[in-house]
Amino acid sequence: DGGITQSPKYLFRKEGQNVTLSCEQNLNHDAMYWYRQDPGQGLRLIYYSQIVNDFQKGDIAEGYSVSREKKESFPLTVTSAQKNPTAFYLCASSIDLAGFYNEQFFGPGTRLTVL
Amino acid sequence: AQSVTQLDSQVPVFEEAPVELRCNYSSSVSVYLFWYVQYPNQGLQLLLKYLSGSTLVKGINGFEAEFNKSQTSFHLRKPSVHISDTAEYFCAVTANFGNEKLTFGTGTRLTIIP
Repeated sequence: DGGITQSPKYLFRKEGQNVTLSCEQNLNHDAMYWYRQDPGQGLRLIYYSQIVNDFQKGDIAEGYSVSREKKESFPLTVTSAQKNPTAFYLCASSIDLAGFYNEQFFGPGTRLTVL
Repeated sequence: AQSVTQLDSQVPVFEEAPVELRCNYSSSVSVYLFWYVQYPNQGLQLLLKYLSGSTLVKGINGFEAEFNKSQTSFHLRKPSVHISDTAEYFCAVTANFGNEKLTFGTGTRLTIIP
């Protein structure tokens, strides 16, 4: 079955540590996205990529980094510079190279907790 | 830039009763509109979308929404809800051109009362 996988489902991190969240898709989509979800705040865009080896900052990129070395993979690193990283992280993808109006398909999410 | 307002953060409804979840948007250009559903501890799933054409859009699980340009609204409705509809619902908007990002509302938590 085609879809988006995120791992791990739950992740615990000590303060000061970097941590990488995995996102893989087998939908052959060109565009991929990372969102952060906090209670009562909806989804906020962290980074997006519309083609391999290229990505752009979203609304809340500070303290995060990404790479897009393969079409199928878009890992997100939460660095120690992110002051409040505890949140639910969602990865998404869409077919279209040209914009955001095509349907975005979401992964199951990773819940990150900083201890 | 576009913005979305979901007027109700929580909506309790009795089982088999109708429900309307409200969504208003702001934009200086024409838009595309979406409703997504999120079940507990899961990702989002598309319910329906308005791109063009008929202003009444039908989606999955018996939901429908009506695009009202004059009132800048895209309210979601279901004539008879079921326990399995308990979830969080997000409205989203994007401009209908270029590389515009998808902007999400803050969500409405729908709770079905048996």
